Amino acid sequence: AQSVTQPDARVTVSEGASLQLRCKYSYFGTPYLFWYVQYPRQGLQLLLKYYPGDPVVQGVNGFEAEFSKSNSSFHLRKASVHWSDWAVYFCAVSYNRIFFGDGTQLVVKP
Amino acid sequence: DMKVTQMPRYLIKRMGENVLLECGQDMSHETMYWYRQDPGLGLQLIYISYDVDSNSEGDIPKGYRVSRKKREHFSLILDSAKTNQTSVYFCASSRVEQYFGPGTRLTVL
Repeated sequence: AQSVTQPDARVTVSEGASLQLRCKYSYFGTPYLFWYVQYPRQGLQLLLKYYPGDPVVQGVNGFEAEFSKSNSSFHLRKASVHWSDWAVYFCAVSYNRIFFGDGTQLVVKP
Repeated sequence: DMKVTQMPRYLIKRMGENVLLECGQDMSHETMYWYRQDPGLGLQLIYISYDVDSNSEGDIPKGYRVSRKKREHFSLILDSAKTNQTSVYFCASSRVEQYFGPGTRLTVL
């Protein structure tokens, strides 16, 4: 069955430090994959999307993600975190419908 | 401009009252969705609509029904609302990636 696992419910990083949020997916085939961000009291916004092709995709605000078929992963990265990145991040895989992970809360320390 | 709108943004109802949540999109997407999100939790899919009058249950359809009479509008109806339906409700539309509305915060007293 299709599913998405975000193993870290909460990640804390210092402002200016690098970031990796993990995502593992279960899918038989080559998926479409997404990362969304949800700021407090707002809806989800698309950060970036992967369609089969270049495994590294660039998103908004300096985010990028790397698709790995061998590891069934789609981890999100950012080189230098800003306080405004404090939000919940959702990974998702698309197959007929979109399946979302449970989200990772990113906390940014000053 | 690609946009999903939701009305109302905030709603307080008493248990047993009927609730109508409305969603609109301007992208001519065929597929639309209703989700609920409870505090600290992820999204739970209530219903999917594949086009006008073509709706399917999601993961938690009990207690809800939907209506889609125009491609750009998708309504979520709670007949006789219950206190455990207090939540934030999100609508989304998609061709491939989903676009989300700002949410409706529903409180059932």
